[in-house]
Amino acid sequence: DSGVTQTPKHLITATGQRVTLRCSPRSGDLSVYWYQQSLDQGLQFLIHYYNGEERAKGNILERFSAQQFPDLHSELNLSSLELGDSALYFCASSQWGSDSGNTIYFGEGSWLTVV
Amino acid sequence: LAKTTQPISMDSYEGQEVNITCSHNNIATNDYITWYQQFPSQGPRFIIQGYKTKVTNEVASLFIPADRKSSTLSLPRVSLSDTAVYYCLVGDPIMDSNYQLIWGAGTKLIIKP
Repeated sequence: DSGVTQTPKHLITATGQRVTLRCSPRSGDLSVYWYQQSLDQGLQFLIHYYNGEERAKGNILERFSAQQFPDLHSELNLSSLELGDSALYFCASSQWGSDSGNTIYFGEGSWLTVV
Repeated sequence: LAKTTQPISMDSYEGQEVNITCSHNNIATNDYITWYQQFPSQGPRFIIQGYKTKVTNEVASLFIPADRKSSTLSLPRVSLSDTAVYYCLVGDPIMDSNYQLIWGAGTKLIIKP
């Protein structure tokens, strides 16, 4: 158990709909990252938040948005869903700025299926 | 951000030692080398991290030559459960805003009975 909690674990929704994925980072971690992994594909970085502020943005679609709240949990909002958005969405957290090498700890992911 | 090159896939047998090499010719002075393991439908899991020479923990060893242009992940006496994708990442954990954000395809390791 990495300590990163993601909900829901599985989600099936229709095209055009909107969903919200939730992530609780490890206790004490200030950074939250979101990644997308399609079937048999590599990890695609979406966005990184540190202590409530956006730090880096990757290949995140305009239909997607995220935020990190004062209690450090994060939400990834996916709207106007398309079939191609079906993927495993991972949240990860890290301390950021520590001298321990700043490793990232991943949650178990949220499986999104768009039908 | 240092680019990494690792084999797409490798096969081995139970009980063998497996070495996966990652090339990172453009590694910078402050860059760390980190390896992750990912099982299907699970999030990547941290295996080991190093800066230079050799690092060993309870699951693996990481060998880094003096020029740091490559690194080798060594898995002793593998079992079927070590079948997974292994990722090598290089970057500066403090100053590099892209650290651990860019992931390659990894090495798909298949362990056979």
